[in-house]
Amino acid sequence: DTAVSQTPKYLVTQMGNDKSIKCEQNLGHDTMYWYKQDSKKFLKIMFSYNNKELIINETVPNRFSPKSPDKAHLNLHINSLELGDSAVYFCASSRDRVPGELFFGEGSRLTVL
Amino acid sequence: LAKTTQPISMDSYEGQEVNITCSHNNIATNDYITWYQQFPSQGPRFIIQGYKTKVTNEVASLFIPADRKSSTLSLPRVSLSDTAVYYCLVGATLSSGSARQLTFGSGTQLTVLP
Repeated sequence: DTAVSQTPKYLVTQMGNDKSIKCEQNLGHDTMYWYKQDSKKFLKIMFSYNNKELIINETVPNRFSPKSPDKAHLNLHINSLELGDSAVYFCASSRDRVPGELFFGEGSRLTVL
Repeated sequence: LAKTTQPISMDSYEGQEVNITCSHNNIATNDYITWYQQFPSQGPRFIIQGYKTKVTNEVASLFIPADRKSSTLSLPRVSLSDTAVYYCLVGATLSSGSARQLTFGSGTQLTVLP
């Protein structure tokens, strides 16, 4: 009965490939996020969607494209993968009326060879 | 956007009280302060949140001075299982339905020793 679930948990791929990570939340939240955590543990926000509308788009390369088919899902598609894309990607969700409380998924570890 | 600064690491012993301080000099009026705990191979988990003064729940206390430029997470009587990375997060969501960026600090690695 996971609140925020991501798939796959692990992803190993070659440079230049295209891959997707899926995220689903069953909390009824309106806002979802993608975060990237690098090897130094910095957690950087990439995107945020509110009711399927993109509201935050940080300085992320165009190779990263989020898609939100409905407010319970936020997928991340990455084109032409590069070595520097290797990281753990976390999906999160929040209720708008409760500031700051994020519910995170377990993370998807992407390794680009 | 408020930027946060925390100590990189702290060590403690079982049964001790641990205080982790976070600096956020540029905190905005609408910003709340939230602390998260992260274990290896897991996503961060909410611990406590506050706006000013003191907040206490069953696992921690959060102390925020009047100027709100810093905050201190207090963990009473830590155990080995409290070994984790602790993040201070400053930001806010707006009642209009949009969300501001929530910027995490670098985190503090707390190691509890037996």
